[in-house]
Amino acid sequence: DAKTTQPPSMDCAEGRAANLPCNHSTISGNEYVYWYRQIHSQGPQYIIHGLKNNETNEMASLIITEDRKSSTLILPHATLRDTAVYYCIVRRAPGGSNYKLTFGKGTLLTVNP
Amino acid sequence: GAGVSQSPRYKVAKRGQDVALRCDPISGHVSLFWYQQALGQGPEFLTYFQNEAQLDKSGLPSDRFFAERPEGSVSTLKIQRTQQEDSAVYLCASSLLGQGNSYEQYFGPGTRLTVT
Repeated sequence: DAKTTQPPSMDCAEGRAANLPCNHSTISGNEYVYWYRQIHSQGPQYIIHGLKNNETNEMASLIITEDRKSSTLILPHATLRDTAVYYCIVRRAPGGSNYKLTFGKGTLLTVNP
Repeated sequence: GAGVSQSPRYKVAKRGQDVALRCDPISGHVSLFWYQQALGQGPEFLTYFQNEAQLDKSGLPSDRFFAERPEGSVSTLKIQRTQQEDSAVYLCASSLLGQGNSYEQYFGPGTRLTVT
C-alpha cells in the first residue's frame, strides 16, 4: 500500500471548515483513500473513502485531486467534538488479503472555541 | 445495535504475569482484527480472523502473544509473561464480510495495558 504524508497538527475555529490534507504521491490505480479518526480514549472511527471521484457523506467530504496524488478531508462546520487524530490511509480495493489497515501518525486536529 | 466492546478497559500487570483481553465484535461480523497502539503512534496490525480461522498472525510481536476466536464470535488476546514493552492500547475491530471485502472496520474502545 502507498505511503501517506500528513501534517502532525492543525487548528481550526469552531464553526469553520476544517481542511485536512494528505499526500499520497505513490498511489496506484486500484488503491482507495480512506479516512479514519480517533477521539481521545476511543478506538478509530471510519469517516469516508474514495477512489477518484469526490465523495460526501453525513460526516465529511473527500476531495481527491485529478492525478490522485493528494486529497483533502473537509469537515464543513467543525465542532469541539471533532477534536481528534485524523488518519489518511491508502488501501487496495477490498478483497483477498487486502484487509489490513496501515495507520501512520495522522494529524491532530484541535478545534478551538 | 451495540458496537464492538472490549474488556477490561484498563489492565495493570506486573512484569511476568499473563493477561487475557476480551473482544466482543458486532453480532454477525465475519472478520475480526486485533491492533496494538503504542503511545503517540497509530494502531499497528496484529492478527486477523475470518470466523474462527486465524488467517493472519504476521503482526504478533512474539510467541508470547496468542489470539483465539473458537466459536467465530468472541475473541481473546492472551499475552504470556508480560514485558514492559507490551504496554500499549490493544484495539479490536470487526467488519461484516470476510476476506477484507468490507470497506469499514468498526473499532472497540481498546484495552489499555500497563506493565509495571
